Amino acid sequence: ETGVTQTPRHLVMGMTNKKSLKCEQHLGHNAMYWYKQSAKKPLELMFVYSLEERVENNSVPSRFSPECPNSSHLFLHLHTLQPEDSALYLCASSQGLAGGTGELFFGEGSRLTVL
Amino acid sequence: AQSVTQLDSQVPVFEEAPVELRCNYSSSVSVYLFWYVQYPNQGLQLLLKYLSGSTLVKGINGFEAEFNKSQTSFHLRKPSVHISDTAEYFCAVSRAFNDMRFGAGTRLTVKP
Repeated sequence: ETGVTQTPRHLVMGMTNKKSLKCEQHLGHNAMYWYKQSAKKPLELMFVYSLEERVENNSVPSRFSPECPNSSHLFLHLHTLQPEDSALYLCASSQGLAGGTGELFFGEGSRLTVL
Repeated sequence: AQSVTQLDSQVPVFEEAPVELRCNYSSSVSVYLFWYVQYPNQGLQLLLKYLSGSTLVKGINGFEAEFNKSQTSFHLRKPSVHISDTAEYFCAVSRAFNDMRFGAGTRLTVKP
């Protein structure tokens, strides 16, 4: 496995379900991110972890709960979601937070549909 | 805080024609500028970036972009596009990774 891997690729859930999205990076990076991609809208940064510590939470509703158990893994726990939460959720990683090469490495995304 | 505006949401073009995707940004401080590409059913990947130095930046797949500080623009160009260039293109600006702002994207469709 190389790069950034996200599972599942597709997820359909009801508003009362609890599910989790998983992200794993094999690049040796020390920062990981969750982005939300909705149609016709800019990517929205949700959470940033550096060295397993959360450094950014952009006013995301509490029904989204991130977890970063180590520098290679990132989870997004979902519960009591709303239909407007349906989107593509992208995980990314980078080496360092500020300056550097400026490159984010993205996974292929998890397409979430909330019924 | 910085922001990004991609001036065209969709750009249709014929194969082998030149293309320009426009990006303007606003920021009160020096920033880094990026173009990412997203092919169907895939994540984003970096096309090119401007950090400092020469204002003309060359990237992968024959793309290039020019940083124009006076016009606060970072337009992406390719002299001759291929069908395989059909994708969504995102301009982004940052001062630090936890402050990277993306534009809404431009969908480039290359027709035969």
